[in-house]
Amino acid sequence: EVQLVQSGAEVKKPGESLKISCKGSGYNFISYWIGWVRQMPGKGLEWMGIIYPGDSDTRYSPSFQGQVTISADKSIRTAYLQWSSLKASDTAMYYCARGTDEFDLWGQGTLVTVSS
Amino acid sequence: QLVLTQSPSASASLGASVKLTCTLSSGHSSYAIAWHQQQPEKGPRYLMKLNSDGSHNKGDGIPDRFSGSSSGAERYLTISSLQSEDEADYYCQTWGTGIWVFGGGTKLTVL
Repeated sequence: EVQLVQSGAEVKKPGESLKISCKGSGYNFISYWIGWVRQMPGKGLEWMGIIYPGDSDTRYSPSFQGQVTISADKSIRTAYLQWSSLKASDTAMYYCARGTDEFDLWGQGTLVTVSS
Repeated sequence: QLVLTQSPSASASLGASVKLTCTLSSGHSSYAIAWHQQQPEKGPRYLMKLNSDGSHNKGDGIPDRFSGSSSGAERYLTISSLQSEDEADYYCQTWGTGIWVFGGGTKLTVL
């Protein structure tokens, strides 16, 4: 089955670090970009950045540049989104999505809650 | 600047048809887009890729009730024979050189 499976929900305190994951299966993982998308509570979808696992070429939205780091380990077919110092405003659902242009496959989402 | 504009809300009756609009910013009228559906409390689901000439490729399992069309800078999603499960948020998405963009989404209410 072609799918993206994301890591589970996280509850963190402000200032803590976090790395969430997205594992692809059922397709040639290194041939498609993997994007990350934020959805804050009650809001729309925001593109954060994207990585090509084949060579780790990475692009960031200007809104998220410097705020997060996107990486991938092609040997285990997994992409990552990480924060070095979380803020309360990072509380959101985060989705990974596959796509070279259009995002044609979505992960189930990872809920990140940041609260003191 | 590459921007997608969607109306915040739309409504239509059960069994009727509805046409949602996504407008590309000036200078980008040749761009393709994708449509995604997000049902309440669920993740997004890819519906289709829609080209500027109106041709479209739907995702696996997407019913024939969903279709796309284009006119100039506008891209449309038409849902016919509306069902209760079509009540959802609908997002358009496009891409350029090193940038991917979502519209603000349209909340569809099925009456």
